[in-house]
Formats: sequence, structure tokens, C-alpha cells
Amino acid sequence: AQSVAQPEDQVNVAEGNPLTVKCTYSVSGNPYLFWYVQYPNRGLQFLLKYITGDNLVKGSYGFEAEFNKSQTSFHLKKPSALVSDSALYFCAVRVRSGAGSYQLTFGKGTKLSVIP
Amino acid sequence: SAVISQKPSRDICQRGTSLTIQCQVDSQVTMMFWYRQQPGQSLTLIATANQGSEATYESGFVIDKFPISRPNLTFSTLTVSNMSPEDSSIYLCSALTSGRHYTSYEQYFGPGTRLTVT
Repeated sequence: AQSVAQPEDQVNVAEGNPLTVKCTYSVSGNPYLFWYVQYPNRGLQFLLKYITGDNLVKGSYGFEAEFNKSQTSFHLKKPSALVSDSALYFCAVRVRSGAGSYQLTFGKGTKLSVIP
Repeated sequence: SAVISQKPSRDICQRGTSLTIQCQVDSQVTMMFWYRQQPGQSLTLIATANQGSEATYESGFVIDKFPISRPNLTFSTLTVSNMSPEDSSIYLCSALTSGRHYTSYEQYFGPGTRLTVT
């Protein structure tokens, strides 16, 4: 079965410091990986995705993620954290369902808290 | 891109009743989905809403409990039937926009409906 794992329930980082939110994946075939962010009482917002090509993917709000095939990882990073980055972050992998559609399978989420 | 709205945004319901959640997309989309998110937890796919045919349910979810309609390419409803406190959750509508190749598909989410069953 295809899945993603986020090993940390919570990550705390001081404002201005670099942040990393970890994600590992297990898929058969080529992985299509995504990061979404969820602010309180809001829906999920797309941050970035890896389909193919450059292993370093740049996304919204200054976030980037590094695809590492040998380590089966897709960690989310940002050089300098902002308090407004505090939110719930989800890693996801696109899978093909038995119905022939494509939908996302999500990790459990990591709560990021940026401390002023 | 796609902008998705949901109604209601939240509701408090009595045990044994049913609630229908509406999802409207501002453009025609290929696929629509319904997810459930327990407070502070991940998203679980309930079903894929197919236009013009019956929804495709994931393991653990059945049509009698979660009937879904999709009358056109921009609208879907999810009904949570015969509710119990265990159904208290956030229900999210999602839509997949198509492109020339499936690698260009984008998936968008609505703001969610927060349901509390007492």
C-alpha cells in the first residue's frame, strides 16, 4: 500500500530560524508528492508538489521541499520561519484508486509552532 | 485553479438525525471527493463523487451512511445519516482539476464543515 509518514507530531522553532518538517513515503512506481498547510478553521492550501525533475521544489510562502529518492523522503523546509507559518502541515502522495481516479493519501500531519 | 465553498460551515446536530453538506466549485472539475478529518488528525477519504453515476466508497464507508450526489460537474452533496457522536468531525470537499496529463492535475479543498453530534 502506498503511504506517507510524518514522524513528528509537533515541531517548535524560533522565529527567524530555519525550519524542517519531515516526511517519508512508501510507494510503488514513481512518487507524486505534495505538501499542504491547514490554518485553524480553514481548509487545506496547496504549498508545493514533486512530480519529476529537480529534486528541490520551490513553493508558496517561501517554502521548499527536497525530494530524496534513496532516503524516500520529501522534507519541507524554509530558511527563516515566521510566526504566521504556525499551522498544521500535511504531506501527501497521489495514488490511483480502483475507480481509476487520482486522489491524495495524507500523512497524519505535523503541527508547526513558530515562537516569537 | 478552483475555489470551493461548503455549506454549512458548522452545525450541531442531534443523535439519529441527518445532515446534508453542500459543495460548490467555481469551475467544472473532473473529480470531486469527500474527506473526513477528526479534530487534530489527518484526512481520510470517504468517497469519490462521480458525475452521473454512483459514488465510489473507500473501505469502511457505505452508501447508506454517507449517501452522495453529484448532479453536475460543479456541485456535490454529502449526507451524514443517522448520526452518532462518533460522526463528529470536519468534513471536507475536494476537487481535482484536469490537465493534459494526470501529472498536471491539481487538487483543491473547501473550508470544511465542522459537525458536532450530541
